[in-house]
Formats: sequence, structure tokens, C-alpha cells
Amino acid sequence: SQELEQSPQSLIVQEGKNLTINCTSSKTLYGLYWYKQKYGEGLIFLMMLQKGGEEKSHEKITAKLDEKKQQSSLHITASQPSHAGIYLCGADLGGGADGLTFGKGTHLIIQP
Amino acid sequence: NAGVTQTPKFQVLKTGQSMTLQCAQDMNHNSMYWYRQDPGMGLRLIYYSASEGTTDKGEVPNGYNVSRLNKREFSLRLESAAPSQTSVYFCASSPGLFRSYNSPLHFGNGTRLTVT
Repeated sequence: SQELEQSPQSLIVQEGKNLTINCTSSKTLYGLYWYKQKYGEGLIFLMMLQKGGEEKSHEKITAKLDEKKQQSSLHITASQPSHAGIYLCGADLGGGADGLTFGKGTHLIIQP
Repeated sequence: NAGVTQTPKFQVLKTGQSMTLQCAQDMNHNSMYWYRQDPGMGLRLIYYSASEGTTDKGEVPNGYNVSRLNKREFSLRLESAAPSQTSVYFCASSPGLFRSYNSPLHFGNGTRLTVT
């Protein structure tokens, strides 16, 4: 089973509308990373959340971490075409190997 | 700033052929990682290198070998390519082991590999 579940898998939103992407872990979250990937390109780091209840914002993107629910949400306000892409959450869920475990990603399409 | 550079960007191989994917970083990072990205599977860790001279297996190491040539470079080798290795491969780096530094991974732009 997937240790980091993202929902929805895909999202089509009209330009100017708000949207939320969720990332839920099957294990305790000690930190959560959000990345954005444009189609055909690499991953761009957006934000890192390390404490329960922490909330960070960058331009029109806000992310929150709820440690009790083992969940993080990414909220985009007044979406723009530049927000289109794949959003991935990543976390260190323990285990033998170092590095981040990633969710499968949420494909975001912005319609004009 | 180049960051993490991967070569080649695209590659087509026939089953059984071998090739090496190259990765170099110019951020003086100690740790480097190789991931593969597949539709419906997300990103999965293949191998990583905590520091120069060390390498460790990730989630899906079978069919791959790695070399940490020096602090800057970390290569991924497919000795006998199989269609199941068709994927997008990403290299990433970090100042140190992720669990120690808790610093974001910096990713390259990927190598798109097709094995026919």
C-alpha cells in the first residue's frame, strides 16, 4: 500500500479559483516537503513543514501540517496558468534507506 | 547556478544493451540520490550515496549499479537493460544525509530512458 497518499490524483480548475491538495501518511510525520514538477522537467522545491500546526506561504500557495491527522494540505488561492503541473509531497517515513518517500502526485490543470 | 546536471536527457536502448546515466552537482553537497519515476508509481529511490566512497540500496536497486566517482559525480549504470527499466530517472543531492540535515533534496531535470 502507498505510504503517502495524495488526493485528488488530478484536478482541473478554472483560472482564478481556489484549490486544495491533500497528502496523508500511513506513518507518523516528522516533516513534510512539497515539490512542483512541470511536465517534462525536474522537481522544484516549494516548502518544508517540520512542526505540527506549522503553516507556510509562498506567493499564493499555502501549506499546513497536521501531525495528529498525519496529513498536510496545499492550498492555492486565485489559481493562475503558471500553477499548472504535478504537485508531489515527500516525507521521511523511516525505514532503512535515507531520502524522501514521495506520493504519486496530483496533476493540476488550470483552464482559462 | 547549474545545480544538478544530468546527461543524457533522452536515451533509447535495446533490450540487453548497457548504459551509464551521469549526474553532477556543483553545490558541494555530500549526499546524492537516484530516483526513478513511473506513471502510477510515483518516485522511487534506487540508490543513494551518503558521502564520497559510500553507496547504499534504496527501494528498487535490482538491475542497477552506481558509482560515486568523486564528491561531485554519481553515476547510475544499467548493465543489461530491460523494458521494465523504461522510466524517467532523476538525480538529487543534499548537503548531507537527509535524516541528519533535514534539508530539501535538489533535483536534476531527469533522463528519459526507453528500452525496446
